[in-house]
Amino acid sequence: AQKVTQAQTEISVVEKEDVTLDCVYETRDTTYYLFWYKQPPSGELVFLIRRNSFDEQNEISGRYSWNFQKSTSSFNFTITASQVVDSAVYFCALSEAQSGGSYIPTFGRGTSLIVHP
Amino acid sequence: DVKVTQSSRYLVKRTGEKVFLECVQDMDHENMFWYRQDPGLGLRLIYFSYDVKMKEKGDIPEGYSVSREKKERFSLILESASTNQTSMYLCVTRAGGWTEAFFGQGTRLTVV
Repeated sequence: AQKVTQAQTEISVVEKEDVTLDCVYETRDTTYYLFWYKQPPSGELVFLIRRNSFDEQNEISGRYSWNFQKSTSSFNFTITASQVVDSAVYFCALSEAQSGGSYIPTFGRGTSLIVHP
Repeated sequence: DVKVTQSSRYLVKRTGEKVFLECVQDMDHENMFWYRQDPGLGLRLIYFSYDVKMKEKGDIPEGYSVSREKKERFSLILESASTNQTSMYLCVTRAGGWTEAFFGQGTRLTVV
């Protein structure tokens, strides 16, 4: 079963619009970690943010903000006043304990964001 | 800065060839992973390793094997390359489950 769902395959916006990328996850664990990564056209994924399951505090970093809601198992990502440089594929990931105590990151299928000038 | 280096950025191989994809990291991370990335399918886990000589199958191990003789190096092996293994391969390293993952630049493999 898919554990991380990014239902939006592609989003297209015009520069300066706000955009929200959705991420819904499934886990039975009480301890888990959520991440967002950005993959620009150059290809290398870049870490954006980490959240653990005990910290539901929302976070803002410049034009980026994240909304973590355990009640709906969602970890959504909003870009305010989008810019062309935000064009990329964004991945949401879940890291949960496996048998033996190991953690394996599971990624969503990614959302391609295209910001037009 | 963590560096995760994959030996090739682009690779073209023939069907039936044995292919080696190498990954080296310089941060003494114990956890290393190989994923493949395909359009519409996201990142799928092929194999992973938590220690030297240790390996575990991921979600799609068929047609692949791995080797980890040294902590810093994790190799993905395609025993007999097939066209359905044409993909982008990503090496990932991480210090622990609570930490972020670091990615190599990816190897785009084309099997003809």
